[in-house]
Amino acid sequence: DTAVSQTPKYLVTQMGNDKSIKCEQNLGHDTMYWYKQDSKKFLKIMFSYNNKELIINETVPNRFSPKSPDKAHLNLHINSLELGDSAVYFCASSPRIAVYEQYFGPGTRLTVT
Amino acid sequence: EDQVTQSPEALRLQEGESSSLNCSYTVSGLRGLFWYRQDPGKGPEFLFTLYSAGEEKEKERLKATLTKKESFLHITAPKPEDSATYLCAVQHGSISSGSARQLTFGSGTQLTVLP
Repeated sequence: DTAVSQTPKYLVTQMGNDKSIKCEQNLGHDTMYWYKQDSKKFLKIMFSYNNKELIINETVPNRFSPKSPDKAHLNLHINSLELGDSAVYFCASSPRIAVYEQYFGPGTRLTVT
Repeated sequence: EDQVTQSPEALRLQEGESSSLNCSYTVSGLRGLFWYRQDPGKGPEFLFTLYSAGEEKEKERLKATLTKKESFLHITAPKPEDSATYLCAVQHGSISSGSARQLTFGSGTQLTVLP
């Protein structure tokens, strides 16, 4: 059983489009995260939710909007995609807030053309 | 400015050739240092957490150590299946203020172990 799953794995789209990435965890964890990994492999936190409540919102364009319908799901919607949004996006979860033994999903490679 | 720097960027070893990866950090109020392994096309996989200088953790051929300024990931007699990118990350600051509610990652060391 996959602990943290993301869909889709690959996403190729054109500038200006709107797209969503879905994430689900079946670990019973309270806290979920979205990270962006750029071409230099740096992982940067974008958002974190704890029990459906937003607790971290880094300096991310407001074109990015996370949504957590329940504590097992954290989706990422991106409006008006730009070339610079091309990256790999990872979802992760941890048992509770401020516990950083995080479990990562397989990533979604987003390419904006 | 808070920074996490990993070196070398890439390391090629022969099977059985032991070595160390370095993670140096300049952050205030370190609360924990984490090592992850990332295989190509996959998400990072948690390896170790270190909380205080002098602490050591071991798992199979890997041993992580921590000082007040850096952490080392020692790889003893590596095998080709140890090939991956190794990431370190730090948690620092205050949980109540929110600054410690996230990790700051380094850019990783890409390890290749040749048979």
